[in-house]
Amino acid sequence: GDSVTQTEGQVTVSESKSLIINCTYSATSIAYPNLFWYVRYPGEGLQLLLKVITAGQKGSSRGFEATYNKETTSFHLQKASVQESDSAVYYCALSDRGTQVVGQLTFGSGTRLQVYA
Amino acid sequence: EAAVTQSPRSKVAVTGGKVTLSCHQTNNHDYMYWYRQDTGHGLRLIHYSYVADSTEKGDIPDGYKASRPSQENFSLILELASLSQTAVYFCASSDSYEQYFGPGTRLTVL
Repeated sequence: GDSVTQTEGQVTVSESKSLIINCTYSATSIAYPNLFWYVRYPGEGLQLLLKVITAGQKGSSRGFEATYNKETTSFHLQKASVQESDSAVYYCALSDRGTQVVGQLTFGSGTRLQVYA
Repeated sequence: EAAVTQSPRSKVAVTGGKVTLSCHQTNNHDYMYWYRQDTGHGLRLIHYSYVADSTEKGDIPDGYKASRPSQENFSLILELASLSQTAVYFCASSDSYEQYFGPGTRLTVL
């Protein structure tokens, strides 16, 4: 089946430093799935941060960027300068357009980002 | 105004007891989903529904039932709660490939 791998369970970064959260994927029934980053702030539900549905394209939102790389099957999340308010849990996810369940998402295990002043 | 709400936000249940988790959406979406998340794991789909009065099994339906009495409401039912069902449960609604999530319910079964 489909899978999404986030290798870092937790990342701690100093404010104003750069960030990269790794994500790789495997989609068994379709070559080019839709890719997403969701974020969960403390006490809130998951929110869509950005999505990319076309291989080779880049998505961006709130200073974060992620590029859909079909060669390396990766969708790493990056930010040039993080803020304390970015502290949250970040989830990489894919949707397989061939699935019978409309909108069904396969999630990575999440990466908790802690930004300190 | 939160478009997907869940109740309760946290619950402690006893093994063998019945637990009902509720979800309400104001997005006017046809699709609704229940996921569970265990520490160190991604969200996994339990049940979903694409129309009122109908529910479908997701990837991990064993031990759970679902109910969709209206477009707005979707419940998850644990008839006989077990220790292994301790987790955080998320509800979501969708009308496309983008989902909108509730804040989650933390369930602890003792």
